[in-house]
Amino acid sequence: DTGVSQDPRHKITKRGQNVTFRCDPISEHNRLYWYRQTLGQGPEFLTYFQNEAQLEKSRLLSDRFSAERPKGSFSTLEIQRTEQGDSAMYLCASSLAGGNFNQPQHFGDGTRLSIL
Amino acid sequence: QKEVEQDPGPLSVPEGAIVSLNCTYSNSAFQYFMWYRQYSRKGPELLMYTYSSGNKEDGRFTAQVDKSSKYISLFIRDSQPSDSATYLCATPKAAGNKLTFGGGTRVLVKP
Repeated sequence: DTGVSQDPRHKITKRGQNVTFRCDPISEHNRLYWYRQTLGQGPEFLTYFQNEAQLEKSRLLSDRFSAERPKGSFSTLEIQRTEQGDSAMYLCASSLAGGNFNQPQHFGDGTRLSIL
Repeated sequence: QKEVEQDPGPLSVPEGAIVSLNCTYSNSAFQYFMWYRQYSRKGPELLMYTYSSGNKEDGRFTAQVDKSSKYISLFIRDSQPSDSATYLCATPKAAGNKLTFGGGTRVLVKP
């Protein structure tokens, strides 16, 4: 079990640049989630996929953010025209889909984004 | 008002003491509750998972849910310096199981 893998671990960029993060979920997991965590806060939900379909997006996900999960495997999260307020840890989690709530989500170690 | 709230701490205890952590939640529809542990610069790691009211024990960890008070607790017995971390409570919402987290409580266990 290789766990959830995220790349890069740390990204530093100038304001206004575009950035893309990658998440590789646990191989048999068909659900994939993105969360954002700022310093001293708990993670906040951004969006999730079941297989390749993006089923929900949070209001936090402005139109500068886009996420994809081609072929239901890895996922990418892109932020266009980055702003200072985008500085955060971006966490990916995966789980099995189930009819109830008892499928635990397993998290990667995140991508820390720093905007200069 | 946030849906799930935690005291941010830090909570400092001597090694071997019992650590007591709490969360309150506002929505009585919440039924499942999780506790995650997060070390610095790492992702959250699932510790405990409980459903409805009652206690659940796993090794040194005990989770309690009191639905009448909308209050959940995590107790860590015989605390170790390696327990020093941020502890997050969370609950899944609606279809899709997206998690709503509390803000986390930072715990320091001093040797």
